[in-house]
Amino acid sequence: GAGVSQTPSNKVTEKGKYVELRCDPISGHTALYWYRQSLGQGPEFLIYFQGTGAADDSGLPNDRFFAVRPEGSVSTLKIQRTERGDSAVYLCASSSGTGGLDTQYFGPGTRLTVL
Amino acid sequence: AQSVTQLDSHVSVSEGTPVLLRCNYSSSYSPSLFWYVQHPNKGLQLLLKYTSAATLVKGINGFEAEFKKSETSFHLTKPSAHMSDAAEYFCVGYNYGQNFVFGPGTRLSVLP
Repeated sequence: GAGVSQTPSNKVTEKGKYVELRCDPISGHTALYWYRQSLGQGPEFLIYFQGTGAADDSGLPNDRFFAVRPEGSVSTLKIQRTERGDSAVYLCASSSGTGGLDTQYFGPGTRLTVL
Repeated sequence: AQSVTQLDSHVSVSEGTPVLLRCNYSSSYSPSLFWYVQHPNKGLQLLLKYTSAATLVKGINGFEAEFKKSETSFHLTKPSAHMSDAAEYFCVGYNYGQNFVFGPGTRLSVLP
């Protein structure tokens, strides 16, 4: 079946603008994760959804970042008033279980560039 | 809080020779540990995971890793490197109720 997909694959925006990044998880997966990967670094946890609710949003760096998953499937990561430091690859992953030991399946990422 | 260290940012081996990618963790209690591989322009893929069962874990593509509590290590090995193994490798730690913590990654180059 289809894997995790993310759109757009690339997004270039200007400082101060608002952006939305979309993640389509594997069908039936209840858990969804967002990560941010800066150049030359490992992915950094942002937020974890179990169903429609954010079970852990402790990784969101500040209140400019927000994510939703209204129907328990597709998720959108929203960034307000973008800054150059937000430039990174944003990764989404999904898994079928409720525990952290379940295999996470990653999407190809969205490369965000803030000019 | 836990942390994951990958001692080598870049490892270069010749095709057909063994691979060793090092990972050490720091945690208040025994974590679950994973190795993920990231090929260029592809999503991260799970190679193997340790979840407090057998300390020697076998993964895909001939990779394996051994959990050594006394050394707080979870090194990734493969007996014979293939050109297709060239990629970025991430060691990941997880404790129940906490977040996944990725190491900084090791770039593996395989020379012909």
